[in-house]
Order: sequence, then structure tokens, then C-alpha cells
Amino acid sequence: GAGVSQSPRYKVAKRGQDVALRCDPISGHVSLFWYQQALGQGPEFLTYFQNEAQLDKSGLPSDRFFAERPEGSVSTLKIQRTQQEDSAVYLCASSSGQESNQPQHFGDGTRLSIL
Amino acid sequence: GDSVTQMEGPVTLSEEAFLTINCTYTATGYPSLFWYVQYPGEGLQLLLKATKADDKGSNKGFEATYRKETTSFHLEKGSVQVSDSAVYFCALSVGRYSSASKIIFGSGTRLSIRP
Repeated sequence: GAGVSQSPRYKVAKRGQDVALRCDPISGHVSLFWYQQALGQGPEFLTYFQNEAQLDKSGLPSDRFFAERPEGSVSTLKIQRTQQEDSAVYLCASSSGQESNQPQHFGDGTRLSIL
Repeated sequence: GDSVTQMEGPVTLSEEAFLTINCTYTATGYPSLFWYVQYPGEGLQLLLKATKADDKGSNKGFEATYRKETTSFHLEKGSVQVSDSAVYFCALSVGRYSSASKIIFGSGTRLSIRP
């Protein structure tokens, strides 16, 4: 597609439920990032993939958060046993090349609300 | 650690006024610097960037100069329009290639322009 696509746009879940958020990067983009944006704050880095390899997961806040990109294209961010503090907008970004100064292109995000 | 501090908002100006949004950073190494913009209901977009000291990034009438001596990257526009109303994020990445480096964002500055 023309841009980074994320689904669903909105997700409401009860505390304790598991959720899965999907990201379709721009076709051919090697690099894929996930960010978490709390209300009124800037995005914060969660994890980074280069093709199917997860090279940096230092930003994942707990072991309840898990991300995968098994075929080097679509990525899924999974949150297990959700807590209220997980409520945020989750942003996905992709970039072409692995050794370039091409910018990261952001999707519109998934707004997650935990009740 | 690496961080970005930007002017708190909200900032409200009249159309055609001069805009400055201050941004300072702390980083190891030599970061690339960015301004991202988030228009109402839309995703994050790269507004401009600078990759080395004394570089000036510019786009849509906005400018910012990479000042290593003051560790600053202030955003300016000579004459703002109502359509510039948005949230502006100052950001940096530290890494040889920005396509493979996480972005560290400031907390954002909401700008509102009165007709």
C-alpha cells in the first residue's frame, strides 16, 4: 500500500485480556519499529526489527509485551494480561534499507483502551 | 541517557505571527535531529531534519538549525497559518544510519493559530 497500515484503529479490552495489534509496513521496507505514545506525551521506543530479526527490544516495558515479524513483512505486537497502564496509542514505523538515512514512515496508530 | 526537551505548550498565536518552538537535546555521539508534526486526526509526519552541526533543515516555510554548541534545534516560521495548527515533536536518533536507529521524542508542543 501507499503507507504504513495499522489495525485495528481502536481497541477496547478488559484488564487481564490479551490483545494483538497488527502493522503492515510499506512494501519492501526492511526496518520496522514499534513505539508507545501515552496521552499528552511523545512516542517512546519499544522494539526494532530488521527483516524478521528482532535486533532491539530494550524498550518493551515488561515480559507481557511480545512482538514478532516472522516473514520480514507484517508485524504483530502482543500484550498479555493487559493492565490499565497499557492504555496508549501504539505506533508502527517502517523505513527502507538497513544502512541508509531514509526517514521512518509512521502509521496512524492503534489506540488501546484498557477498562 | 539521550533525551530531548522542548517548550511546553499549548502555544496560541494569531495568523501571520512569528513562531519559535524551543528544543534542546542531550546525546552521546553525533545525533541526527528531527521535527515531526501531528495534524489533528492524522499520523506523525516528518517535517524536517538535520544530520550534522550547522545544517539547516527546512520545509513548508519552517526552519531549524542544528546548533552543536548550544545543543539546540529550535523550530521557526516567519508567518504562521491556521493550517499549521498541530502538535510538533522535536526528536533525535543516535546511530550511524537513521533508518536503523530508534527515535527519541520530546513531549510535544501543541500549536493553535487563531484566524
